Amino acid sequence: EDKVVQSPLSLVVHEGDTVTLNCSYEVTNFRSLLWYKQEKKAPTFLFMLTSSGIEKKSGRLSSILDKKELFSILNITATQTGDSAIYLCAVSTGTASKLTFGTGTRLQVTL
Amino acid sequence: SAVISQKPSRDICQRGTSLTIQCQVDSQVTMMFWYRQQPGQSLTLIATANQGSEATYESGFVIDKFPISRPNLTFSTLTVSNMSPEDSSIYLCSGALGQAASEQYFGPGTRLTVT
Repeated sequence: EDKVVQSPLSLVVHEGDTVTLNCSYEVTNFRSLLWYKQEKKAPTFLFMLTSSGIEKKSGRLSSILDKKELFSILNITATQTGDSAIYLCAVSTGTASKLTFGTGTRLQVTL
Repeated sequence: SAVISQKPSRDICQRGTSLTIQCQVDSQVTMMFWYRQQPGQSLTLIATANQGSEATYESGFVIDKFPISRPNLTFSTLTVSNMSPEDSSIYLCSGALGQAASEQYFGPGTRLTVT
């Protein structure tokens, strides 16, 4: 059974801090790893990673994949209260692009 | 990115009734999926909506309970049948661009409460 594990489950930081969210996986027929931000209902796409060691960056967010050690990290620098959300990691497997989600990390950024 | 719309955005239904949720995607999308997110939990894939044929269901989900249609490339429906309070969840449709290893985008979700 495919498994995606995220840590920590929840995190409270002060505005301006840097955070690192972790995602490890055990799946068959790995295709890609995706990160999403969920604030209300719909997850918002952040990154898709398919190759090891290549950092993807968007503003204060960045992510990298290690396919040998089967994990990914999502970094957020200079956090803002608007970064408060649940961050979901998902792995795409097989030919059908099915996503298996982790349980998410709930991030709260306080003033 | 892909534009995905979904309706209704929320509904409150009585047990024993059925609700059909509609999802419309833009033409870039090739694959469509339906997910469920129960309270306090992560997303679970219900099925892959196949154009013009029966959906492919994941373990634990059956066609009689969650019939899915996809009559054309850009439209799909999910029906939650004979509802019970345990069906109270957010239901989300998603669309993937291209084939495998594709970016996948989500609709705004339908929050269903069954009383």
